Amino acid sequence: NAGVTQTPKFQVLKTGQSMTLQCAQDMNHEYMSWYRQDPGMGLRLIHYSVGAGITDQGEVPNGYNVSRSTTEDFPLRLLSAAPSQTSVYFCAVGGGVRNTGELFFGEGSRLTVL
Amino acid sequence: ELKVEQNPLFLSMQEGKNYTIYCNYSTTSDRLYWYRQDPGKSLESLFVLLSNGAVKQEGRLMASLDTKARLSTLHITAAVHDLSATYFCAVNQGGSEKLVFGKGTKLTVNP
Repeated sequence: NAGVTQTPKFQVLKTGQSMTLQCAQDMNHEYMSWYRQDPGMGLRLIHYSVGAGITDQGEVPNGYNVSRSTTEDFPLRLLSAAPSQTSVYFCAVGGGVRNTGELFFGEGSRLTVL
Repeated sequence: ELKVEQNPLFLSMQEGKNYTIYCNYSTTSDRLYWYRQDPGKSLESLFVLLSNGAVKQEGRLMASLDTKARLSTLHITAAVHDLSATYFCAVNQGGSEKLVFGKGTKLTVNP
């Protein structure tokens, strides 16, 4: 039982390149989300999904794209990387039978854009 | 728009001392969460507070929620070095699973 798995853990990109951060869960939770963490800013919500086929924007969605074709996977795409997207990205899942609203986080993906 | 404020943002304590971290939020919510993050690591769930007056305790940490005052506290009793970490509170937005996080409180416990 891996929980929430993010790949890659580290990535360096050049400005203008595109890439996809992967998030996979085996917790059978409906809700999945992406946050970015920057020093002194806490965590800010990028995009979220309440189930397969349903996505919506969070607080800071510009420059990112998501899709949710299965319950298990929620990839985050950077369309044209910019230095301002240098950050640590966390995938978080929640919901489930108990549905306390608690989120469970992946280990994070550290992205540097040069 | 829901805003979540934590204070202090930085806290340096001596071992054995007590202290409280405060989390204020701007709009009505009855769900609040506390997380811990060690340097370079992910966020670990500490407490889930689901109603007014909820109190949870785990070891030297105790969290409480006052929904009328829109305030949660995380109380540290007799701090030890192992408690050094960054602590985040997060508030549920609009009855969904969307959580809005505070900026975090970096706690350093010195011998």
